[in-house]
Amino acid sequence: DAKTTQPNSMESNEEEPVHLPCNHSTISGTDYIHWYRQLPSQGPEYVIHGLTSNVNNRMASLAIAEDRKSSTLILHRATLRDAAVYYCILNNFNKFYFGSGTKLNVKP
Amino acid sequence: DGGITQSPKYLFRKEGQNVTLSCEQNLNHDAMYWYRQDPGQGLRLIYYSQIVNDFQKGDIAEGYSVSREKKESFPLTVTSAQKNPTAFYLCASQKRKQTNTGELFFGEGSRLTVL
Repeated sequence: DAKTTQPNSMESNEEEPVHLPCNHSTISGTDYIHWYRQLPSQGPEYVIHGLTSNVNNRMASLAIAEDRKSSTLILHRATLRDAAVYYCILNNFNKFYFGSGTKLNVKP
Repeated sequence: DGGITQSPKYLFRKEGQNVTLSCEQNLNHDAMYWYRQDPGQGLRLIYYSQIVNDFQKGDIAEGYSVSREKKESFPLTVTSAQKNPTAFYLCASQKRKQTNTGELFFGEGSRLTVL
Protein backbone atom coordinates (compact mmCIF):
# COMPACT_ATOMS: atom_id res chain seq x y z
CA ASP A 1 0.00 0.00 0.00
CA ALA A 2 1.20 3.48 -0.85
CA LYS A 3 2.28 5.57 2.13
CA THR A 4 2.90 9.18 2.89
CA THR A 5 5.57 10.85 5.04
CA GLN A 6 4.97 14.12 6.83
CA PRO A 7 6.83 16.08 9.53
CA ASN A 8 5.40 15.45 12.98
CA SER A 9 4.85 19.13 13.74
CA MET A 10 5.25 22.63 12.35
CA GLU A 11 4.78 26.10 13.71
CA SER A 12 3.58 29.26 12.05
CA ASN A 13 2.79 32.83 12.95
CA GLU A 14 -0.73 34.10 12.51
CA GLU A 15 -1.47 35.74 9.14
CA GLU A 16 1.66 34.30 7.55
CA PRO A 17 1.67 31.63 4.82
CA VAL A 18 2.25 28.01 5.79
CA HIS A 19 3.70 25.30 3.57
CA LEU A 20 3.00 21.75 4.76
CA PRO A 21 5.10 19.14 2.90
CA CYS A 22 4.27 15.54 2.11
CA ASN A 23 6.35 12.82 0.48
CA HIS A 24 4.69 9.94 -1.35
CA SER A 25 7.44 8.32 -3.36
CA THR A 26 5.51 5.08 -3.98
CA ILE A 27 2.44 6.79 -5.43
CA SER A 28 0.76 4.99 -8.30
CA GLY A 29 -0.75 6.52 -11.41
CA THR A 30 -4.32 6.15 -10.11
CA ASP A 31 -3.73 7.59 -6.63
CA TYR A 32 -5.25 10.98 -5.93
CA ILE A 33 -3.61 13.15 -3.27
CA HIS A 34 -6.05 14.30 -0.59
CA TRP A 35 -5.55 16.57 2.40
CA TYR A 36 -7.74 16.52 5.48
CA ARG A 37 -7.39 18.28 8.81
CA GLN A 38 -8.55 17.29 12.27
CA LEU A 39 -9.29 19.43 15.31
CA PRO A 40 -9.00 17.79 18.76
CA SER A 41 -11.75 15.28 19.51
CA GLN A 42 -13.43 15.84 16.15
CA GLY A 43 -13.61 13.95 12.89
CA PRO A 44 -11.31 15.04 10.06
CA GLU A 45 -12.60 17.50 7.49
CA TYR A 46 -11.76 17.68 3.81
CA VAL A 47 -9.36 20.40 2.69
CA ILE A 48 -8.36 19.76 -0.93
CA HIS A 49 -7.38 17.07 -3.42
CA GLY A 50 -5.59 16.73 -6.76
CA LEU A 51 -4.04 14.33 -9.24
CA THR A 52 -1.34 16.07 -11.27
CA SER A 53 -2.09 19.78 -11.60
CA ASN A 54 -1.94 22.35 -8.83
CA VAL A 55 -5.32 23.05 -7.26
CA ASN A 56 -6.82 26.02 -5.45
CA ASN A 57 -9.96 26.36 -3.36
CA ARG A 58 -11.26 28.73 -0.72
CA MET A 59 -9.39 26.93 2.05
CA ALA A 60 -5.97 26.24 0.57
CA SER A 61 -3.78 25.49 -2.43
CA LEU A 62 -2.19 22.18 -3.35
CA ALA A 63 1.11 22.13 -5.21
CA ILE A 64 2.02 18.76 -6.73
CA ALA A 65 5.55 17.96 -7.91
CA GLU A 66 5.98 17.09 -11.56
CA ASP A 67 6.97 13.50 -10.73
CA ARG A 68 4.08 13.34 -8.18
CA LYS A 69 6.36 11.99 -5.49
CA SER A 70 5.71 14.93 -3.22
CA SER A 71 3.14 17.63 -2.64
CA THR A 72 2.70 20.75 -0.51
CA LEU A 73 -0.41 22.12 1.12
CA ILE A 74 -0.34 25.90 1.23
CA LEU A 75 -2.38 27.95 3.68
CA HIS A 76 -2.06 31.48 2.40
CA ARG A 77 -2.73 33.29 5.68
CA ALA A 78 -2.75 31.11 8.78
CA THR A 79 -5.30 31.89 11.47
CA LEU A 80 -5.63 30.47 14.97
CA ARG A 81 -8.52 28.35 13.69
CA ASP A 82 -6.11 26.60 11.31
CA ALA A 83 -4.30 24.95 14.23
CA ALA A 84 -4.97 21.25 13.67
CA VAL A 85 -3.42 17.97 12.54
CA TYR A 86 -3.10 17.90 8.76
CA TYR A 87 -3.17 14.56 6.97
CA CYS A 88 -1.79 13.93 3.51
CA ILE A 89 -3.58 10.89 2.10
CA LEU A 90 -3.45 8.80 -1.03
CA ASN A 91 -6.88 7.73 -2.25
CA ASN A 92 -7.11 4.65 -4.42
CA PHE A 93 -10.66 3.51 -5.18
CA ASN A 94 -12.36 4.04 -1.83
CA LYS A 95 -9.36 3.21 0.33
CA PHE A 96 -7.91 6.23 2.08
CA TYR A 97 -4.55 5.69 3.81
CA PHE A 98 -4.06 8.04 6.73
CA GLY A 99 -0.58 8.55 8.21
CA SER A 100 0.20 10.28 11.50
CA GLY A 101 -0.13 13.76 10.01
CA THR A 102 1.51 17.09 10.83
CA LYS A 103 0.39 18.99 13.90
CA LEU A 104 0.30 22.68 13.00
CA ASN A 105 0.65 25.21 15.79
CA VAL A 106 -0.27 28.80 14.98
CA LYS A 107 1.17 31.52 17.18
CA PRO A 108 -0.71 34.80 17.63
CA ASP B 1 -29.27 19.57 7.92
CA GLY B 2 -27.49 16.69 6.20
CA GLY B 3 -24.66 14.92 7.93
CA ILE B 4 -23.36 11.90 9.79
CA THR B 5 -24.49 11.13 13.32
CA GLN B 6 -22.52 8.86 15.60
CA SER B 7 -23.77 7.65 18.95
CA PRO B 8 -22.99 7.43 21.72
CA LYS B 9 -20.31 10.11 21.97
CA TYR B 10 -18.77 8.46 25.03
CA LEU B 11 -19.11 4.83 26.05
CA PHE B 12 -17.66 2.78 28.88
CA ARG B 13 -17.54 -0.98 28.73
CA LYS B 14 -16.41 -3.76 30.99
CA GLU B 15 -13.98 -6.31 29.65
CA GLY B 16 -15.71 -9.20 27.93
CA GLN B 17 -18.74 -7.21 26.82
CA ASN B 18 -19.74 -6.54 23.24
CA VAL B 19 -20.74 -2.99 22.35
CA THR B 20 -22.35 -1.52 19.23
CA LEU B 21 -21.57 1.95 17.91
CA SER B 22 -24.19 3.60 15.75
CA CYS B 23 -23.53 5.52 12.53
CA GLU B 24 -26.35 7.12 10.53
CA GLN B 25 -26.08 9.39 7.48
CA ASN B 26 -28.77 11.35 5.61
CA LEU B 27 -26.49 12.43 2.76
CA ASN B 28 -27.64 9.63 0.44
CA HIS B 29 -24.03 8.47 0.21
CA ASP B 30 -23.18 5.07 -1.20
CA ALA B 31 -19.98 4.23 0.68
CA MET B 32 -19.48 4.16 4.44
CA TYR B 33 -16.37 3.55 6.54
CA TRP B 34 -15.27 2.86 10.08
CA TYR B 35 -11.88 4.04 11.33
CA ARG B 36 -10.10 3.64 14.62
CA GLN B 37 -7.79 6.32 16.05
CA ASP B 38 -5.44 5.82 18.99
CA PRO B 39 -3.90 8.78 20.87
CA GLY B 40 -1.38 10.69 18.75
CA GLN B 41 -1.90 8.34 15.83
CA GLY B 42 -3.52 8.53 12.43
CA LEU B 43 -6.68 6.72 11.38
CA ARG B 44 -6.76 3.00 10.62
CA LEU B 45 -9.48 1.43 8.50
CA ILE B 46 -11.62 -1.23 10.20
CA TYR B 47 -14.39 -1.96 7.68
CA TYR B 48 -15.94 -0.28 4.68
CA SER B 49 -19.07 -0.76 2.62
CA GLN B 50 -19.74 0.44 -0.91
CA ILE B 51 -23.32 -0.81 -1.21
CA VAL B 52 -26.15 -2.17 0.91
CA ASN B 53 -25.66 -5.76 2.10
CA ASP B 54 -21.99 -5.74 1.17
CA PHE B 55 -18.89 -4.80 3.16
CA GLN B 56 -15.16 -5.48 3.15
CA LYS B 57 -12.52 -5.81 5.85
CA GLY B 58 -10.04 -3.04 6.27
CA ASP B 59 -6.57 -3.26 7.78
CA ILE B 60 -7.62 -4.03 11.38
CA ALA B 61 -10.93 -5.91 11.18
CA GLU B 62 -10.16 -8.59 13.77
CA GLY B 63 -12.47 -8.34 16.76
CA TYR B 64 -14.99 -6.12 14.97
CA SER B 65 -18.15 -6.79 12.98
CA VAL B 66 -20.46 -4.62 10.87
CA SER B 67 -23.73 -4.77 8.95
CA ARG B 68 -25.19 -2.68 6.12
CA GLU B 69 -28.88 -3.51 5.97
CA LYS B 70 -29.87 0.04 5.02
CA LYS B 71 -28.07 2.62 2.91
CA GLU B 72 -28.10 5.20 5.69
CA SER B 73 -26.89 2.96 8.53
CA PHE B 74 -23.56 1.21 9.19
CA PRO B 75 -23.28 0.04 12.82
CA LEU B 76 -20.00 -1.28 14.23
CA THR B 77 -19.88 -3.95 16.94
CA VAL B 78 -16.75 -4.16 19.05
CA THR B 79 -16.65 -7.74 20.29
CA SER B 80 -14.94 -9.23 23.30
CA ALA B 81 -12.37 -10.68 20.87
CA GLN B 82 -10.92 -7.21 20.31
CA LYS B 83 -7.97 -7.23 22.69
CA ASN B 84 -7.44 -3.50 23.02
CA PRO B 85 -10.71 -1.74 22.18
CA THR B 86 -10.14 1.55 24.01
CA ALA B 87 -9.95 4.11 21.20
CA PHE B 88 -11.69 6.91 19.30
CA TYR B 89 -13.94 5.50 16.56
CA LEU B 90 -14.84 7.51 13.49
CA CYS B 91 -17.50 6.81 10.90
CA ALA B 92 -17.33 8.38 7.44
CA SER B 93 -19.30 8.34 4.20
CA GLN B 94 -18.57 9.12 0.58
CA LYS B 95 -20.91 10.19 -2.22
CA ARG B 96 -19.77 7.91 -5.01
CA LYS B 97 -18.45 4.40 -4.92
CA GLN B 98 -15.20 3.35 -6.54
CA THR B 99 -13.86 6.78 -7.12
CA ASN B 100 -10.58 8.44 -6.26
CA THR B 101 -12.02 11.91 -6.02
CA GLY B 102 -14.94 11.63 -3.61
CA GLU B 103 -14.70 13.64 -0.43
CA LEU B 104 -15.04 11.78 2.88
CA PHE B 105 -17.51 13.20 5.37
CA PHE B 106 -16.84 12.27 8.99
CA GLY B 107 -19.01 12.04 12.07
CA GLU B 108 -17.92 13.52 15.40
CA GLY B 109 -16.68 10.19 16.70
CA SER B 110 -17.38 7.83 19.56
CA ARG B 111 -14.87 7.45 22.36
CA LEU B 112 -14.88 3.93 23.82
CA THR B 113 -13.17 3.18 27.11
CA VAL B 114 -12.83 -0.33 28.48
CA LEU B 115 -12.71 -0.43 32.27
